[in-house]
Amino acid sequence: DSGVTQTPKHLITATGQRVTLRCSPRSGDLSVYWYQQSLDQGLQFLIQYYNGEERAKGNILERFSAQQFPDLHSELNLSSLELGDSALYFCASSTRDSFNSPLHFGNGTRLTVT
Amino acid sequence: AQSVSQHNHHVILSEAASLELGCNYSYGGTVNLFWYVQYPGQHLQLLLKYFSGDPLVKGIKGFEAEFIKSKFSFNLRKPSVQWSDTAEYFCAVSVMNTGFQKLVFGTGTRLLVSP
Repeated sequence: DSGVTQTPKHLITATGQRVTLRCSPRSGDLSVYWYQQSLDQGLQFLIQYYNGEERAKGNILERFSAQQFPDLHSELNLSSLELGDSALYFCASSTRDSFNSPLHFGNGTRLTVT
Repeated sequence: AQSVSQHNHHVILSEAASLELGCNYSYGGTVNLFWYVQYPGQHLQLLLKYFSGDPLVKGIKGFEAEFIKSKFSFNLRKPSVQWSDTAEYFCAVSVMNTGFQKLVFGTGTRLLVSP
């Protein structure tokens, strides 16, 4: 168990809809990272938050947004969903604002858009 | 384009065979290198990392990796694999980008070890 909790584990929704994925980091970790894993793109970095502030952005679409709350949990909002958004979405956390700290990953949320 | 390449997408080995998984990156400057592993049904976890010093780094479960700067490579090796090594292996590189660090993953290599 990595200590990172992601909910829900599975999500099935229709195109055009909006969903929210939730992540609780390991106790004491201030950084939260979101990654998207699809069969053709591999693991793609989406966004990082550190102690409530956005720190780095990767290949995140404008239809996607995220935030980190004062209790350090994070939510990833995906809107106007398309079939191509179907993927496994991972959250990871680390102690510091640095990718050199080992990332601790959650088990992911599998999103299926029909 | 800057990237992390894992050329072997699928590898099938018998138990006790030796393993080498390739990883090449195209980033210049200072990089930090990682291998992560994802066992079936489990989360990604760190296998080993290289920041500086001895280019041959040892990780958990008998894995090691060698950083060859001139070849922009960080290949993962294990002398004798076990069935329990069946997993997906991801090479990752942390780089500076527009003032921020980011961790870029390769597309992964699925290893199947047959008993």
